[in-house]
Amino acid sequence: DADVTQTPRNRITKTGKRIMLECSQTKGHDRMYWYRQDPGLGLRLIYYSFDVKDINKGEISDGYSVSRQAQAKFSLSLESAIPNQTALYFCATSAGTSGIVGTDTQYFGPGTRLTVL
Amino acid sequence: SQQGEEDPQALSIQEGENATMNCSYKTSINNLQWYRQNSGRGLVHLILIRSNEREKHSGRLRVTLDTSKKSSSLLITASRAADTASYFCATDWPRGTSGSRLTFGEGTQLTVNP
Repeated sequence: DADVTQTPRNRITKTGKRIMLECSQTKGHDRMYWYRQDPGLGLRLIYYSFDVKDINKGEISDGYSVSRQAQAKFSLSLESAIPNQTALYFCATSAGTSGIVGTDTQYFGPGTRLTVL
Repeated sequence: SQQGEEDPQALSIQEGENATMNCSYKTSINNLQWYRQNSGRGLVHLILIRSNEREKHSGRLRVTLDTSKKSSSLLITASRAADTASYFCATDWPRGTSGSRLTFGEGTQLTVNP
């Protein structure tokens, strides 16, 4: 979805390097998410943010940090990359809902393929 | 874990046939969503079914939800080669003051042969 962009699209780096993946959205959504996908596996949530001042850890936050610079921007950092962080990384956004029955659909970016040697 | 589990892991059919994929989950949900992913690309939302709904249609897609069995199925009728992709179910379940968010299953890889 062109409304959610990720940079870079591909990155090869070495163990120990600091890496930043960036995500921008023009959908005007408050909520943003970072996932990683490993071959044959579903998506696992790394971090999520429900608004600019709200940052939450997901299932697998160790080794990662995030920054929500603005409503439209959410970046993911790998402080010291290691080979088992080689994966496909996705950013997603959602509008968020109120009330008990949610209808929160997520919109995904095209992904960043990260290889750590 | 609340993670949805899809079955089968992989499905190969001929064009024109119907494809059925199943998803099971463990706890109460707000809604269940199905997403599609073409190889190496981002996920695309297909359809959402709320916890108080039992069946929903969208074009050639039909989704059912059985909350008593904690399961859902996605049926693609009259499949086409272009339907070849991975299909994921995602459960949206309440998490108290943290609000709701999605948990994805591992996906079903569907191959439609021309």
